Amino acid sequence: DVKVTQSSRYLVKRTGEKVFLECVQDMDHENMFWYRQDPGLGLRLIYFSYDVKMKEKGDIPEGYSVSREKKERFSLILESASTNQTSMYLCASSTTSPGSEAFFGQGTRLTVV
Amino acid sequence: DAKTTQPPSMDCAEGRAANLPCNHSTISGNEYVYWYRQIHSQGPQYIIHGLKNNETNEMASLIITEDRKSSTLILPHATLRDTAVYYCIVRVAYYGGSQGNLIFGKGTKLSVKP
Repeated sequence: DVKVTQSSRYLVKRTGEKVFLECVQDMDHENMFWYRQDPGLGLRLIYFSYDVKMKEKGDIPEGYSVSREKKERFSLILESASTNQTSMYLCASSTTSPGSEAFFGQGTRLTVV
Repeated sequence: DAKTTQPPSMDCAEGRAANLPCNHSTISGNEYVYWYRQIHSQGPQYIIHGLKNNETNEMASLIITEDRKSSTLILPHATLRDTAVYYCIVRVAYYGGSQGNLIFGKGTKLSVKP
């Protein structure tokens, strides 16, 4: 089975801290995604990566950066965490075949205090 | 913005078929229709996808209209465990590179009631 693993299920950080959210997939997928999910807003794409070192901004990239140095790992970085970044963060991966599906991790619930 | 329109919520009686509609009137000829669901506090789960023809798997059936402007996800015998938010997504036939974005809308909250 495809496995997408996010490093933490729950995380509490202080305002201004630099925060790293890590995601690892074990199926050699080319594509990886970071989303955030907030009540009433659904899933919103933050960043998408289609290859090592390649990235595309999603709908809400402000305040975030990403790193993909290895194919299996996609990191989301909050350079200076703020309370409005309190959210559920979801990582996903997929292949490049035309009808490919995406596989999601279980999510990281980040609270910034 | 999402390319699909779904009702925000629906109810279904346990054991009955749940029919979830999705409008994608601007769909292009090379775009697939995907359905995912998200049970509370879990990551989204893939259900089914299709291009032109109707599709069926062990979880659900997908009916796509002939003009491809709308589709319906059918859960043939809904159970309480099918209570979730269901997302309909359109995505271009993808062969790699920067076109692989997967954009979710707000979905339909399906409540299956005993």
